[in-house]
Amino acid sequence: DAGVTQSPTHLIKTRGQHVTLRCSPISGHKSVSWYQQVLGQGPQFIFQYYEKEERGRGNFPDRFSARQFPNYSSELNVNALLLGDSALYLCASSLVVDTQYFGPGTRLTVL
Amino acid sequence: GNSVTQMEGPVTLSEEAFLTINCTYTATGYPSLFWYVQYPGEGLQLLLKATKADDKGSNKGFEATYRKETTSFHLEKGSVQVSDSAVYFCALWRDDKIIFGKGTRLHILP
Repeated sequence: DAGVTQSPTHLIKTRGQHVTLRCSPISGHKSVSWYQQVLGQGPQFIFQYYEKEERGRGNFPDRFSARQFPNYSSELNVNALLLGDSALYLCASSLVVDTQYFGPGTRLTVL
Repeated sequence: GNSVTQMEGPVTLSEEAFLTINCTYTATGYPSLFWYVQYPGEGLQLLLKATKADDKGSNKGFEATYRKETTSFHLEKGSVQVSDSAVYFCALWRDDKIIFGKGTRLHILP
């Protein structure tokens, strides 16, 4: 079975722009979570979605938003990009509530 | 609040050496505990997990035991290989999310 897939792999944006990151979960997984990993740090939780409903939100500004589609894929949107938004964005899906499987990530660079 | 503290790296060992990476946690109740590994340029891979006190998680020669009395979940491997070089993250599950430590970079020398 395919694992979690994310697109694009890399992305370069400039300050003030908007970005959309995409994630496809493992087949059969209904929960998707997003994490931000700044270089040299552990991932930080951004959002969790289950059955298209937001179930959790981390300590991130309203510039960050997400949604989950009927096929359980998900998008993470970030508006008004800041230099500090440069990071690896990880998507994870889960079948069992506490066991999450991560995708390879999207590396976002904001110039 | 809920948090994970793990030993700072980098940790440098010779091939076939014994590995211990210390991890302690702060949380209410009995959270599930995890070790994730991140190889260069890749995402996170679940290495092992334990869901209750005294459980031992194991995978690929790595193991960790859930110690409630010391709130610890130390990662061990008896004989490391060059291919084990990576960053290792200790983590716990609480409030519908994973809380990660800062990671420990491991270098194995041939």
